[in-house]
Amino acid sequence: QQQVKQSPQSLIVQKGGISIINCAYENTAFDYFPWYQQFPGKGPALLIAIRPDVSEKKEGRFTISFNKSAKQFSLHIMDSQPGDSATYFCAASMLVKAAGNKLTFGGGTRVLVKP
Amino acid sequence: DVKVTQSSRYLVKRTGEKVFLECVQDMDHENMFWYRQDPGLGLRLIYFSYDVKMKEKGDIPEGYSVSREKKERFSLILESASTNQTSMYLCATTGYGNTIYFGEGSWLTVV
Repeated sequence: QQQVKQSPQSLIVQKGGISIINCAYENTAFDYFPWYQQFPGKGPALLIAIRPDVSEKKEGRFTISFNKSAKQFSLHIMDSQPGDSATYFCAASMLVKAAGNKLTFGGGTRVLVKP
Repeated sequence: DVKVTQSSRYLVKRTGEKVFLECVQDMDHENMFWYRQDPGLGLRLIYFSYDVKMKEKGDIPEGYSVSREKKERFSLILESASTNQTSMYLCATTGYGNTIYFGEGSWLTVV
């Protein structure tokens, strides 16, 4: 049973376009929602994260939108660039300080930005 | 910068062999994790540890064990490797902050 469902599995976007990746979660106890970016041959790296007390967070060209009632969140990549071509993972967790941050990941989205 | 080092990047092992995957972190973090990454399934947690000699099962612990004798080192052990354990394995670490830091991954092929 996948607690975090991510779509689409892959997408192709033209340079300058908008990439949109969606995630849905089931566990209402989740209270931390990060996105990770992974380039080929590398481990995932934190891109941007949001807590459920806000509906949107923006960092540069990357924006997370969060809908608590629908249990959904999404990543928007504005003005997509070829260097953004990577696999993106959404994740969710309960922040439990004593035991660290045990993340549940979505299935991943492979993004290809065409020049 | 946090450094998480997985010493073996690419391994090919035979069915039934015992396999050790080593991970070392240099930030004195309490928590360490082993994930497995497969296409379409994302990253799935195998085991984690929040202190030396402490370990807890993740979502898919079957066929794996772990060892944490020192704070900086977390090892994943496949007692008897099988072909369905062919995958990429990612080690990760975090302190009391929110961010998890990953190593670059170990690609394991079991033939």
